[in-house]
Amino acid sequence: EVQLAESGGGLIQPGGSLRLSCAASGFTVNSIYMSWVRQAPGKGLEWVSTIYSGGTTYYADSVEGRFTISRDSSKNMLFLQMNSLRAEDTAVYYCATLRSSGSSDFNSWGRGTLVTVSS
Amino acid sequence: DIQMTQSPSTLSASVGDRVTITCRASERISNWLAWYQQKPGKAPKVLIYKASSLESGVPSRFSGSGSGTEFTLTISSLQPDDFATYYCQQYKNSWTFGQGTKVEIK
Repeated sequence: EVQLAESGGGLIQPGGSLRLSCAASGFTVNSIYMSWVRQAPGKGLEWVSTIYSGGTTYYADSVEGRFTISRDSSKNMLFLQMNSLRAEDTAVYYCATLRSSGSSDFNSWGRGTLVTVSS
Repeated sequence: DIQMTQSPSTLSASVGDRVTITCRASERISNWLAWYQQKPGKAPKVLIYKASSLESGVPSRFSGSGSGTEFTLTISSLQPDDFATYYCQQYKNSWTFGQGTKVEIK
């Protein structure tokens, strides 16, 4: 059974950095595509970043150049390094798996971790 | 970027009602569309993928249809567990969600 568990969220000042982690079980993180999706308080879902099994990465325009997605197959974990944080980055961050390679929906999700950017 | 527009934003319905939610894409996306259900404080859960494929374990009262730019999610007989927010998502080019449709008790 696929399980995902995010951690690393918290309160951070504008301009600061934070690293989110997603512990995976039931599969290996370098075998499938994985993503981060966020949801600002009371708002809808926003795709943030995706890493392909081959290592290619993609980012939303809103985080390009500030966020970096990566993984560690030895720990079976996915990461999101977030730098130069802004108030508008405040959200619950979910990690998710893609059903298949290529064009795909997100078929498994973690419970999310809350990031609050505020002074 | 492909924009996704859902209607209505809020829908009031009763148990047993037939409910339909519409999603429009700003350009043709073939059938690269998914529907998610989200309850307060919980992660989204996929219901439908490839516009009309029912996710394993999802009740058959949920169905999806459409292709190109117009899509619908139908709940044939609304159950108490179905009161939630529903999102469509395109995945033809990157990934974009609709703004959500909240289904509330009438």
